[in-house]
Amino acid sequence: QKEVEQNSGPLSVPEGAIASLNCTYSDRGSQSFFWYRQYSGKSPELIMFIYSNGDKEDGRFTAQLNKASQYVSLLIRDSQPSDSATYLCAVNPGRGSTLGRLYFGRGTQLTVWP
Amino acid sequence: NAGVTQTPKFQVLKTGQSMTLQCAQDMNHNSMYWYRQDPGMGLRLIYYSASEGTTDKGEVPNGYNVSRLNKREFSLRLESAAPSQTSVYFCASSEEGVPNYEQYFGPGTRLTVT
Repeated sequence: QKEVEQNSGPLSVPEGAIASLNCTYSDRGSQSFFWYRQYSGKSPELIMFIYSNGDKEDGRFTAQLNKASQYVSLLIRDSQPSDSATYLCAVNPGRGSTLGRLYFGRGTQLTVWP
Repeated sequence: NAGVTQTPKFQVLKTGQSMTLQCAQDMNHNSMYWYRQDPGMGLRLIYYSASEGTTDKGEVPNGYNVSRLNKREFSLRLESAAPSQTSVYFCASSEEGVPNYEQYFGPGTRLTVT
């Protein structure tokens, strides 16, 4: 069973703060990692992916990957009320019969208050 | 370019009724997926199709059948609906290319079984 665990939340931060979202995974051989954002009543949309150890930055978002610790995180700098959503961590094993399949965590609900 | 489309958007069924959820993508993707999303449970994979003509079970396949009609279309059938199948259903598609297996999601079908 390939498990993906996210910090339970909900997470509440003030506008302008850094929001930190965390995710751990059980399959040590996992290849690529995704962060999806889902607004209430909408479908998930991809905001970041990462497959190499270290940091990857895209605007206010930074994904961090540590394969040795089986840990991936998403930092949102200068958080805005429009960032209020549920954030889903997804992991791709990248091999064998599960090629292409993603395993999702349960999500962390983030609220950014003005 | 519509991306991933799903029909219907909403549906109410009585226990024991059958229905088919339709999904189509216009991105020429090989892989397609059906998920269900329940409160607090994240996204759970029902079935997926790595290519035209192939389908595989995901985490929660019981009570469902699928058909990969052609490269564009992937349908999900509930033969005898049960209240436990009340959920939001998302279809997704992805291209295969190491290491990025980004999945694109449709808008979802909100199904209630009474």
